[in-house]
Amino acid sequence: GDSVTQMEGPVTLSEEAFLTINCTYTATGYPSLFWYVQYPGEGLQLLLKATKADDKGSNKGFEATYRKETTSFHLEKGSVQVSDSAVYFCALSEGSSNTGKLIFGQGTTLQVKP
Amino acid sequence: EAGVTQSPTHLIKTRGQQATLRCSPISGHTSVYWYQQALGLGLQFLLWYDEGEERNRGNFPPRFSGRQFPNYSSELNVNALELEDSALYLCASSRYGGPETQYFGPGTRLLVL
Repeated sequence: GDSVTQMEGPVTLSEEAFLTINCTYTATGYPSLFWYVQYPGEGLQLLLKATKADDKGSNKGFEATYRKETTSFHLEKGSVQVSDSAVYFCALSEGSSNTGKLIFGQGTTLQVKP
Repeated sequence: EAGVTQSPTHLIKTRGQQATLRCSPISGHTSVYWYQQALGLGLQFLLWYDEGEERNRGNFPPRFSGRQFPNYSSELNVNALELEDSALYLCASSRYGGPETQYFGPGTRLLVL
């Protein structure tokens, strides 16, 4: 079945450092890909999405490119802030069948220190 | 535009009891999804409702059930609660069913003692 694999966390960075969180997927068909962020004690917020190969999603300085050839959707930000500390989830929606469900990676905790 | 809302924010039950969780989708959204986020198990898909019908369910026992009302709000019922049902339950909605972008609510944290 379809699956998503994220890099192990936690990731600890200093403020203004460059961020990369790796995400790779296995899917039949043509899934849509998403990054969600979860701040402590809250639900999930959609960060960005891409619906087809070579699409780049971007929001709040974060960006990710849908790479079909490497089945990847890595999240990047050029300069992180303390306020970016959260758990980041990569997810896909199954493209080959209409199941309605999102499949999530295990989440990567980001801690940004001042 | 108001987001997805869920109630209650926290719920404490004892083993064997029943829990009812509620969700109101974003205005104009017809699909509602339920997910369980249990410690160490990640985010697991529970149920999908669209236009009042259950469209899909995840790998959960039948004591997890729910329904969707004519106004598209939804409730999740968990019967015969077990300790391992303790989790954050997240509701999401989308404009249509299927591979549409899902927007999540803040969740209901259920603790089973």
